[in-house]
Amino acid sequence: DAGVTQSPTHLIKTRGQQVTLRCSPKSGHDTVSWYQQALGQGPQFIFQYYEEEERQRGNFPDRFSGHQFPNYSSELNVNALLLGDSALYLCASSRRDRGRRVTGELFFGEGSRLTVL
Amino acid sequence: AQTVTQSQPEMSVQEAETVTLSCTYDTSESDYYLFWYKQPPSRQMILVIRQEAYKQQNATENRFSVNFQKAAKSFSLKISDSQLGDAAMYFCAYRRSNAGNNRKLIWGLGTSLGVNP
Repeated sequence: DAGVTQSPTHLIKTRGQQVTLRCSPKSGHDTVSWYQQALGQGPQFIFQYYEEEERQRGNFPDRFSGHQFPNYSSELNVNALLLGDSALYLCASSRRDRGRRVTGELFFGEGSRLTVL
Repeated sequence: AQTVTQSQPEMSVQEAETVTLSCTYDTSESDYYLFWYKQPPSRQMILVIRQEAYKQQNATENRFSVNFQKAAKSFSLKISDSQLGDAAMYFCAYRRSNAGNNRKLIWGLGTSLGVNP
């Protein structure tokens, strides 16, 4: 049973460029959330996708956008990169519980380390 | 807004000894979940233990247990018989439970735990 997989694991970009990060959720999961973790900080929520739509968004500018595909995988896109976008980007997956109490557990990938020069 | 505070940036413990990591939180909600996640150098967030606020009994998972004090809004993690593999960043996280499929977690800044042989 494959867990959450993310690609690429590391990448280096320059200011102004655009980047796309990818995530495949754990088998059986249909919801994907993205978090940004700056060095020495806790993760910050970017947004969440299920049923191919953005359902909730954190305090991030429109330069951060995403997409979810019919197979539940997801992409995170960041345009016009800034030095401050350098961080570990974590993808977390979960399964929607319809009509039942939600346990809240997220499963995480190993992250994509983005460095902006 | 909910907040999570971890007041110990770094802790250390001798192998086989017991250590307690502190976490406090602020919320006006009465029903929520609290989590401890471990992030080793491999970067992947791993769920250590989960506590539901409506349950009075403290959660336990093998060598890991929590001291949940709802009135004091305190949620500490106790690691017994510490092992070298316990060395990692530990994050405390909060999530509302009446949020449907909103799985946004609010995180503390983390505590770096070192284990001395």
